[in-house]
This record gives sequence, C-alpha cells and structure tokens, in this order.
Amino acid sequence: AQKITQTQPGMFVQEKEAVTLDCTYDTSDPSYGLFWYKQPSSGEMIFLIYQGSYDQQNATEGRYSLNFQKARKSANLVISASQLGDSAMYFCAMREGQRFPGNMLTFGGGTRLMVKP
Amino acid sequence: NAGVTQTPKFRILKIGQSMTLQCTQDMNHNYMYWYRQDPGMGLKLIYYSVGAGITDKGEVPNGYNVSRSTTEDFPLRLELAAPSQTSVYFCASSYTVGTALGGNTIYFGEGSWLTVV
Repeated sequence: AQKITQTQPGMFVQEKEAVTLDCTYDTSDPSYGLFWYKQPSSGEMIFLIYQGSYDQQNATEGRYSLNFQKARKSANLVISASQLGDSAMYFCAMREGQRFPGNMLTFGGGTRLMVKP
Repeated sequence: NAGVTQTPKFRILKIGQSMTLQCTQDMNHNYMYWYRQDPGMGLKLIYYSVGAGITDKGEVPNGYNVSRSTTEDFPLRLELAAPSQTSVYFCASSYTVGTALGGNTIYFGEGSWLTVV
C-alpha cells in the first residue's frame, strides 16, 4: 500500500488565487511527521512546512499552511495568493518516528503546480 | 554556509562502469541519507547513516554501497552501473529528531544527475 498518496499529478491555478494540494498518508506509527517540499525546474529540494503528529495546531509558514486532518490521515498544503514563482513540483513526505530517531522520509509522487498569469 | 555538498553534479557512465558520488556536510549532523529520484517521481531512500561507522539500507539499496568513516562524509558507490540507475541522486543530512537543534530540518544537497548509457 502507498504510504503517501498525492492524487493530483498536475494542477493549474490563477495568479493571486489560493490553491490546495492534496496529500493522504498511511501509518500505524503514533509518532510521525509530515513535510512538504517544493522542487523547481532547477531541481533542488526546498523545504516549505512541517507538521508533527502531536502538534495541536496546523502549521503555517508565510503563504503556506498545512491543513492537517489526523482522523482522515490527510495533510493538504494550502498556498495563498499564488505567485508565478510557485510553479514547481510539490512533494509531500512522511517520517515515521517510533522506529528511527532520524528523518528517513517516504515521499509521494508529487503534484506539478502551474500558475497562470 | 556550505551545508550539504555533492559532487559531481552531472556524470555520464557506461554500462558496467563504477563510480562514487561524494557527499560532505559541515553542520556536524549525525544523520545522513542518500535518495534517488527517477523522472517524474518522488525520492526514494537508498541508504542512511546514523553516525560514523554505522550505515543501513533504505528502500532501494540494490546496486549501491555506502560508507561513513567520518561525521562529515557519506559517499555512495555505484558498482557495475546499469541503465536502471539513471536518476538524480540527493544527499541529505539532519540532526536527531526531537533535539533542540532542529531535528525536523533536513538539509538537501543540490542533486547529482547520473545517466548510464
């Protein structure tokens, strides 16, 4: 079974509008972390936001917020006020924490976001 | 601030050749990782290390070897290169999760593009 599922291979959004990128996960580990990364065409991995399984509040970082619904095992990324520079691949990833104290991540297949002017 | 440095950035190998991808970090991180990213896909963990002298297999270790003789260096060795190893390789490092040093932050190198022909 897929541990991280991103069901939207590609999405368009109009500049200045908000967009939600979906991510569902599957784990039986009670301690886990969820990450979102941006990968522009240049290829580097840019960290956006992190949510821990025990965090009481949804994470926010500037224009990025994470809509964490633990019971539904979803961790959707919301980008507000899209900019042309947001066009990139976006990856959701999970760390399962009880077995290893490190950041061994499982990645989803990614969503390509294209921002239209 | 060097962070995680990978070399080479680009390499073309012939089938059956061997090579080593170098990775160095200057942040005194105990955890280091090697991921590969196939076209249009998310990253998959090849090997990881929890400290000097300790390494373990990730999700896709076949065809690769690693060593960790120092905290700073984590080279990835490809023996008998095959076309299936054509990929982008990312080295990463982090502190132990849960420390005040920021264990939820993972630092990625810029990637190494490898083509096997």
